[in-house]
Amino acid sequence: NAGVTQTPKFRVLKTGQSMTLLCAQDMNHEYMYWYRQDPGMGLRLIHYSVGEGTTAKGEVPDGYNVSRLKKQNFLLGLESAAPSQTSVYFCASSYPEGGGGWTTNEKLFFGSGTQLSVL
Amino acid sequence: AQSVTQLDSHVSVSEGTPVLLRCNYSSSYSPSLFWYVQHPNKGLQLLLKYTSAATLVKGINGFEAEFKKSETSFHLTKPSAHMSDAAEYFCVVATTGNQFYFGTGTSLTVIP
Repeated sequence: NAGVTQTPKFRVLKTGQSMTLLCAQDMNHEYMYWYRQDPGMGLRLIHYSVGEGTTAKGEVPDGYNVSRLKKQNFLLGLESAAPSQTSVYFCASSYPEGGGGWTTNEKLFFGSGTQLSVL
Repeated sequence: AQSVTQLDSHVSVSEGTPVLLRCNYSSSYSPSLFWYVQHPNKGLQLLLKYTSAATLVKGINGFEAEFKKSETSFHLTKPSAHMSDAAEYFCVVATTGNQFYFGTGTSLTVIP
């Protein structure tokens, strides 16, 4: 099993350009997430998905769009890149445990990150 | 709303001395709490998690954390620091909506 795979690992964009980051997981996890990591700010949740065909906004969704057309893939799009989007992006997946109307969260499985620079 | 506050952005300890990294959480119900570690230029690794079982949670590499509901705290400790413990540590709270929220991180420096 490869786990969580992110592509690309590095990218440089000019302001206004668009791009898509791909996240793929082979663990059959229901939940997938996109985070950005900036110095002194920890990881902030951009968007997440609780299943195929569903997405939801996190803490910092502006300027990003996502899609989850297949369970194993979660795409993060930047339609018009801005320098403020220079960051390291992490994808993660997870699955719930428990039942009876109450679930707890198993740990997050992370990809290796994408370093994005917007000039 | 759920959130975590890591009270120290930087902590320095001497090798062989105890480590204490502080985390307070805010949650309207009993949360799931985690500590993750990120070594320089590496990905994130789970140290330990709390999910309403025992309040003292033991993790990898000799770390443990104690959940104190009355203090809304989940501090991370280790009796004796090792040089390899130098890293960024993140306290994380998870909601029943399956959202994971990270603290801003504590950078641990271990002085030889």
